[in-house]
Amino acid sequence: QVQLQESGPGLVKPSETLSLTCTVSGGSVSSGSYYWSWIRQPPGKGLEWIGYIYYSGSTNYNSSLKSRVTISVDTSKNQFSLKLSSVTAADTAVYYCARDSAVTGPFDSWGQGTLVTVSS
Amino acid sequence: DIQMTQSPSSLSASVGDRVTITCRASQGIRNDLGWYQQKPGKAPKRLIYAASSLQSGVPSRFSGSGSGTEFTLTISSLQPEDFATYYCLQHNNYPYSFGQGTKLEIK
Repeated sequence: QVQLQESGPGLVKPSETLSLTCTVSGGSVSSGSYYWSWIRQPPGKGLEWIGYIYYSGSTNYNSSLKSRVTISVDTSKNQFSLKLSSVTAADTAVYYCARDSAVTGPFDSWGQGTLVTVSS
Repeated sequence: DIQMTQSPSSLSASVGDRVTITCRASQGIRNDLGWYQQKPGKAPKRLIYAASSLQSGVPSRFSGSGSGTEFTLTISSLQPEDFATYYCLQHNNYPYSFGQGTKLEIK
């Protein structure tokens, strides 16, 4: 049973870069059967897909965030990461990592989520 | 971008009721749609994929239907643990997009 776990700072200052890592256990980010995504949810609001990465390093980002987002993968550590630059209070949200199956579609497994607050 | 519109936004129902939630896509998405359940403070959980396929381990009282632009999630007989917020998600076109959610509350 695959498990995903987000980690990173819970507080980021405005204009700085948010950085989170998702550690995958019970499965491999190198599997060609899956894509690895980030999703976020502002407090009390709905879900927004941020983007995904494939083990090869190919990515696809939400156009609404594309200029500020970088997703990378470290197959040696079985992790993938999110960087979101020039953050504002509007980027305050619970950030989830999730697995996207090439066979059954998104998102069959999720991390528990981590709250990131943007504040000085 | 494809817009996903869910209705209703909120719904009050009783244990044992049959409930239907609708999701409409702004353009055709074939059957590239999933349904997710989210309880407070928890990550979403996938219930349905490919519009009508039941995720392993999900009770059979949940079912999905539809294709193209209109989709439904039906809960045949509500149980206490089903009171939650439900989201649809289209993955036919990038960016993936979620509906705004339907909050299912106890009457």
